[in-house]
Amino acid sequence: GAGVSQSPSNKVTEKGKDVELRCDPISGHTALYWYRQSLGQGLEFLIYFQGNSAPDKSGLPSDRFSAERTGGSVSTLTIQRTQQEDSAVYLCASSFSGIGYTQYFGPGTRLTVL
Amino acid sequence: AQSVTQLGSHVSVSEGALVLLRCNYSSSVPPYLFWYVQYPNQGLQLLLKYTTGATLVKGINGFEAEFKKSETSFHLTKPSAHMSDAAEYFCAVSDIRSGNQFYFGTGTSLTVIP
Repeated sequence: GAGVSQSPSNKVTEKGKDVELRCDPISGHTALYWYRQSLGQGLEFLIYFQGNSAPDKSGLPSDRFSAERTGGSVSTLTIQRTQQEDSAVYLCASSFSGIGYTQYFGPGTRLTVL
Repeated sequence: AQSVTQLGSHVSVSEGALVLLRCNYSSSVPPYLFWYVQYPNQGLQLLLKYTTGATLVKGINGFEAEFKKSETSFHLTKPSAHMSDAAEYFCAVSDIRSGNQFYFGTGTSLTVIP
């Protein structure tokens, strides 16, 4: 079976532009997570979707960041008016619902804001 | 709130030597503990996890970790390092209070010296 996929793999944009990052989770996984990994840093939690429940947006760093998940499957992370400090690798992960289930990570999208 | 501390952001060992990567967590309820590995230019993959049962868990590539409740630790070990073990290692914790929320440490970069 296919793993978690993300697109694009690399994105270079100019400061002030909007970007959309896409995540396709593993089929059947109800939980979906977005993380940000900056150079030399750990994983910074951004947002988490669980089934049809309201997402946990507690990790979004500013109102320029938003995400949605359509039909309980594909998710899009949108960054508006990008800043240079947004440059990072954005990781998506999915898992079955429930405590203790493993998160499966996608390869990430490397975002560079010039 | 839950948290994970990985002591030592960089660890160097000689090929064939013992690998010990430290992870301490804070959780007021029984935790679920994970170690992930990220090889250069690759996504994160699960090494091993502890949910319940035996406190010594074995993972891929000869790694193992022991859950020690009294020490709130989940250190990762491997008896003999290989060059191919050079990677970034992340410890993560989840528990029933956090639901599907995961908390990651800042990572430990392992260098293996020939």
